[in-house]
Amino acid sequence: EIVLTQSPGTLSLSPGERATLSCRASQSVSSSYLAWYQQKPGQAPRLLIYGASSRATGIPDRFSGSGSGTDFTLTISRLEPEDFAVYYCQHYDTSPQWTFGQGTKVEIK
Amino acid sequence: EVQLLESGGNLVQPGGSLRLSCAASGFPFDSYAMSWVRQAPGKGLEWVSAIVSGGDSTYYANSVKGRFTISRDISKLYLQMNSLRADDTAVYYCAKYRSWNFDLWGRGTLVTVSS
Repeated sequence: EIVLTQSPGTLSLSPGERATLSCRASQSVSSSYLAWYQQKPGQAPRLLIYGASSRATGIPDRFSGSGSGTDFTLTISRLEPEDFAVYYCQHYDTSPQWTFGQGTKVEIK
Repeated sequence: EVQLLESGGNLVQPGGSLRLSCAASGFPFDSYAMSWVRQAPGKGLEWVSAIVSGGDSTYYANSVKGRFTISRDISKLYLQMNSLRADDTAVYYCAKYRSWNFDLWGRGTLVTVSS
């Protein structure tokens, strides 16, 4: 079973700053199967990035995803007030099983 | 409007049963695989179960296998939960599945397992 480890647990930044979130897989995975979600308090998760680097419909271009193998990154180029939230990475394997990372909270500094 | 709306969450005693429903609208429901994902209070996301578009294949997380059953009809998704335990307490989300990820989520329904 693949384990996804996200870091840091919490990221304290100011609006306008750049956010870099990491997701590390316990073994090499296909980029096609790696996604990122945003979840705000009291709301359902929202798909941001699929296939490691493709933005979902309606997602602003300040969100970008990259990576391959075991290391993946979600970057928010300039934080807007509405971007402060928890972010999860997610992987699909062919069992099939779907696995989520434990989340990174981006909070206002 | 494209949306998913869950219902059926409630307070139930350990060992009890509950059936969740998810009503879909605004998209061809029968063309998509669907899933349930849960989130325990203050915790992260955990995939629970999935069903293919035709309903003839189902998949479960090890934590619920043998206790939960996913099913669907022409416009709704269901999750029958039996032998409930305290660690099943969570918000249960219905999610539309597309290309290895979940591109539409409902608002969730809360299941509390407690005596």
